[in-house]
Amino acid sequence: GAVVSQHPSRVICKSGTSVKIECRSLDFQATTMFWYRQFPKQSLMLMATSNEGSKATYEQGVEKDKFLINHASLTLSTLTVTSAHPEDSSFYICSASWTGRETQYFGPGTRLLVL
Amino acid sequence: QQPVQSPQAVILREGEDAVINCSSSKALYSVHWYRQKHGEAPVFLMILLKGGEQKGHEKISASFNEKKQQSSLYLTASQLSYSGTYFCGTEIPMKTSYDKVIFGPGTSLSVIP
Repeated sequence: GAVVSQHPSRVICKSGTSVKIECRSLDFQATTMFWYRQFPKQSLMLMATSNEGSKATYEQGVEKDKFLINHASLTLSTLTVTSAHPEDSSFYICSASWTGRETQYFGPGTRLLVL
Repeated sequence: QQPVQSPQAVILREGEDAVINCSSSKALYSVHWYRQKHGEAPVFLMILLKGGEQKGHEKISASFNEKKQQSSLYLTASQLSYSGTYFCGTEIPMKTSYDKVIFGPGTSLSVIP
């Protein structure tokens, strides 16, 4: 149980375009979802926390207008990287959990390459 | 706020033991341990919720010293499958329904035959 999927697994896009990444909890209702960014050989850096039906809480230094997060339902959260640039190339990972559960369940990640 | 991990990297031969330490300059409410293999998502190992707690999962166990604001992960009789990067995460209480977790820089563990 507690499976989280992400789509797409890999995406290559041109500079200036927008990319949407989906995160789905397949067998549970995720009251909270987290979005992380990971550069090669580095740690998971929390970008934002989203609760279903409310606005996401962004970490300091993360641009809200650039990384749009929508948590429209208890099973789906989306991250849209707007006007992507090469420096946005990274591994984006979502995780999900539910109220009362201490553990986060991670999705398989999305590798974004901006040319 | 990011916890500190040591060592940064370690190489073991199969069957050897290892200890990975995680410490924080701030109070620890709980400690999460995850393992990530190259190119994959992190996988949950265990969580310690209170000081003095010790947990085990097969040959991987952990302890949590709340007073010292640190946790240690113990890997005994290491297997090739233990290779990966180990992250500890410390929980930051929030006013919302779920506390966020800040991860340490990771410890790279390589087990060789």
